[in-house]
Amino acid sequence: DSGVTQTPKHLITATGQRVTLRCSPRSGDLSVYWYQQSLDQGLQFLIQYYNGEERAKGNILERFSAQQFPDLHSELNLSSLELGDSALYFCASSSSGALVGELFFGEGSRLTVL
Amino acid sequence: GESVGLHLPTLSVQEGDNSIINCAYSNSASDYFIWYKQESGKGPQFIIDIRSNMDKRQGQRVTVLLNKTVKHLSLQIAATQPGDSAVYFCAENIFEEYGNKLVFGAGTILRVKS
Repeated sequence: DSGVTQTPKHLITATGQRVTLRCSPRSGDLSVYWYQQSLDQGLQFLIQYYNGEERAKGNILERFSAQQFPDLHSELNLSSLELGDSALYFCASSSSGALVGELFFGEGSRLTVL
Repeated sequence: GESVGLHLPTLSVQEGDNSIINCAYSNSASDYFIWYKQESGKGPQFIIDIRSNMDKRQGQRVTVLLNKTVKHLSLQIAATQPGDSAVYFCAENIFEEYGNKLVFGAGTILRVKS
């Protein structure tokens, strides 16, 4: 158990809909990262937050947004969903904003868009 | 853009043999690299890391080698066991102005035959 909690574990929705994925980092970790893992794809970095502030951005679509709240949990919002958004979405946390140690990954949220 | 790639998508080894998983990275400025293991249905799990001021680092049954001249990284697993069967990712840490991101390779599937 990495200590990172993601909900929901599975989510099935229709095209055009909007969903919110939630992540609780390890106790004490200030930094949260979101990754997308599609079939036959590696882990694609989406965005990083540190203590509530956006710190680094990857290939995150404009239809996607994220935030980190004062209690350090984070949410990834996916809107106007398309079939191609079906993927595993991972959250990871670390204690540092500038990576010095390992990232601890959650078990992921599997999104299926029909 | 940044990329970290793997030479072999699938590696099959006999139980007890040594495994070597290779990775090429593209950003010569990267100074920190990590290997992750992902078992089916789980999030990636940290195996071992190495900083660019080192060329070798050993853990328990695992060794990471870094060749900065050719931008190559490898993971060696000694006495491979069935429990080592998983997808292995190399990752490269890229610093940005206020944060950082781990760029992952495509992954190598390791299959251990008993």
